[in-house]
Amino acid sequence: GEDVEQSLFLSVREGDSSVINCTYTDSSSTYLYWYKQEPGAGLQLLTYIFSNMDMKQDQRLTVLLNKKDKHLSLRIADTQTGDSAIYFCAEIPNYGQNFVFGPGTRLSVLP
Amino acid sequence: GAGVSQSPSNKVTEKGKDVELRCDPISGHTALYWYRQSLGQGLEFLIYFQGNSAPDKSGLPSDRFSAERTGGSVSTLTIQRTQQEDSAVYLCASSLGFGAGGTFGSGTRLTVV
Repeated sequence: GEDVEQSLFLSVREGDSSVINCTYTDSSSTYLYWYKQEPGAGLQLLTYIFSNMDMKQDQRLTVLLNKKDKHLSLRIADTQTGDSAIYFCAEIPNYGQNFVFGPGTRLSVLP
Repeated sequence: GAGVSQSPSNKVTEKGKDVELRCDPISGHTALYWYRQSLGQGLEFLIYFQGNSAPDKSGLPSDRFSAERTGGSVSTLTIQRTQQEDSAVYLCASSLGFGAGGTFGSGTRLTVV
């Protein structure tokens, strides 16, 4: 079956780096995504990575993909209080067309 | 429009009543998704449209739930005879197609009392 897993909570100090981890089950997933949800808002697509890539960098965001271990991570450099939110990892399994989301990681940034 | 628009943003209804939730996707986006987010829960997939057809209805939790999409654009999610367990935030997303990241609306918060 499909199951995307994430740790539920992460706290970091402002200015530090945050690393949010995710494991997924469908090794044939072609696309993997990171979404951010701020309180009372919908989901905002932060970045995505194709399965044939190992790394993608976009300003303060770095995505690392380990296909062998089915592990995806999101690193946020110089974390700011505005980064406090819930971060969802998602995949589109090869057999389906819908996004399968992890439970979300609540990132708290402490001053 | 510039983004995915959902209406109403909040809906309080009495148990047993029917409700309709509306989603206006980004113009030109052929794929449309409905998800449900309950308090303390993750995102539960409900239904996916490609154009006007729904190749995947596997997530609809019961036959009280139905959805349609007309003109390849606006979609409505209808919940008949609402129950308290239907209370959740219903999120709609659209995308250009398979693989493209979805753009989500702000959701409709449904409260069944």
